[in-house]
Amino acid sequence: GAVVSQHPSRVICKSGTSVKIECRSLDFQATTMFWYRQFPKQSLMLMATSNEGSKATYEQGVEKDKFLINHASLTLSTLTVTSAHPEDSSFYICSAETTGGSIQYFGAGTRLSVL
Amino acid sequence: AQSVTQPDIHITVSEGASLELRCNYSYGATPYLFWYVQSPGQGLQLLLKYFSGDTLVQGIKGFEAEFKRSQSSFNLRKPSVHWSDAAEYFCAVGARASKSTFGDGTTLTVKP
Repeated sequence: GAVVSQHPSRVICKSGTSVKIECRSLDFQATTMFWYRQFPKQSLMLMATSNEGSKATYEQGVEKDKFLINHASLTLSTLTVTSAHPEDSSFYICSAETTGGSIQYFGAGTRLSVL
Repeated sequence: AQSVTQPDIHITVSEGASLELRCNYSYGATPYLFWYVQSPGQGLQLLLKYFSGDTLVQGIKGFEAEFKRSQSSFNLRKPSVHWSDAAEYFCAVGARASKSTFGDGTTLTVKP
């Protein structure tokens, strides 16, 4: 079945540095991918919709300059957390939707810890 | 606006016992309904979904869910729980998978 790969699974960085997270659809083309953030013991919050070949669409309250999204190909979307601070520490999950929108496949997530 | 309520934050069942996780939703039309499972430190895996047709939906890992329009519910059930079922379970509702609203989740603990 369809698989979404997310890398890295865990990253620890110093405050002020930038971190890039990759999300790949392995056996299907995804014109649209999604980035979520999940706080401990809480549900997923959609951060942005990544559109292949165009600008991402951000949800209200999400800083587009802090969370840079690039979707340069039909199988790869990246999320870059710029100038990371401890409050950016979280679990980030990407997903890709099948054609027709009936199924969404999720990556395994990236645990970001900013020191 | 769409919303999902999972009334039970935490449920503990004994291995081999039956399980029911509750999900109530609010949506203006017939929605897509989903149940996902998340193991610690992992992404979400789709257990099953409903959009139309038979209101009793069969999913993976022996799970099933029943859509009850009159009660705005989509409860997840399993007749016999295994220790490996211990995880976080999320119900979601929306017009399509990516436009879903997720519930706050139910943590399932399985006692030996």
